[in-house]
Amino acid sequence: IQLTQSPSSLSASVGDRVTITCRASQGIHTYLAWYQQKPGKTPNLLIYGASTLQSGVPSRFSGSGSGTDFTLTITSLQPEDFATYYCQQLNTYLGITFGQGTRLEIK
Amino acid sequence: EVQLLESGGGLVQPGGSLRLSCAASGFTFSSYAMNWVRQAPGKGLEWVSAISGTGGSTYYADSVQGRFTISRDNSKSTLYLHLNSLRAEDTAVYYCARNQPLAPMVTTDYWGQGTLVTVSS
Repeated sequence: IQLTQSPSSLSASVGDRVTITCRASQGIHTYLAWYQQKPGKTPNLLIYGASTLQSGVPSRFSGSGSGTDFTLTITSLQPEDFATYYCQQLNTYLGITFGQGTRLEIK
Repeated sequence: EVQLLESGGGLVQPGGSLRLSCAASGFTFSSYAMNWVRQAPGKGLEWVSAISGTGGSTYYADSVQGRFTISRDNSKSTLYLHLNSLRAEDTAVYYCARNQPLAPMVTTDYWGQGTLVTVSS
C-alpha cells in the first residue's frame, strides 16, 4: 500500500486553517494515523483511526476520511504547529508505510 | 513513564557492520511488538523492520532484507538491530518505536530519540 500526501509543502500564517490530504493506493478502512515532526525531534502521534485525537493533542487538530482518501485539518494555526506532517498506515505483516510528508511553513 | 533510548550509532565504512540497541522502560516490554524506523538526512520516514512481542516473528523492508537482523531480549527489555553490508544509502537516524493497538488500528505511539548511523569512507 502506498500513501501519497499533498501538498508536499504549504505556507500559511498564524490563525489560518490548513488541510493536508493523504491518499492510499487501496482501501484501508480507517486504519490511518497522522504524525507531526519538528526539526531534530521525534515524530509525535496526533491522530489514529483516521479521526481519533491522541491524548494531549489540541482540539484544533482533526482528521477525517475512510477507504482511500483522508485529510488532516488544523484550524487556527499556532506558531508551534509549523512542522512536517506524515500520514501512516501499519500492517502487521507488511510493515509500516508513511506518506512522503508535508512541510508546513510560516508565510 | 514510557521511555525508549537508542544507542550504538556511529560512523562506519561501506560494507561494515553495526549493532543498534533500544533500551525500553516504563512498560511490559514483552507485551509489545517493536519497530525500527529510519530517516535519512532531510528526508522522510522509512520503516525498516518489526518484531513481535515474543520475538518469534520478524519482518523487514525490501531495502534491508538479508542485510539487517532485528532481535530482542525481553529479559533485558532491549531491542536490537544488527546492520551488515552497510551502504551509503543506509545513512540515517534510526528510531525504535512501539506498536500499540489503538482501535480500530495498530500504530506506533512511542518513539525513541534516535541514533545516527553514517556510512562513509
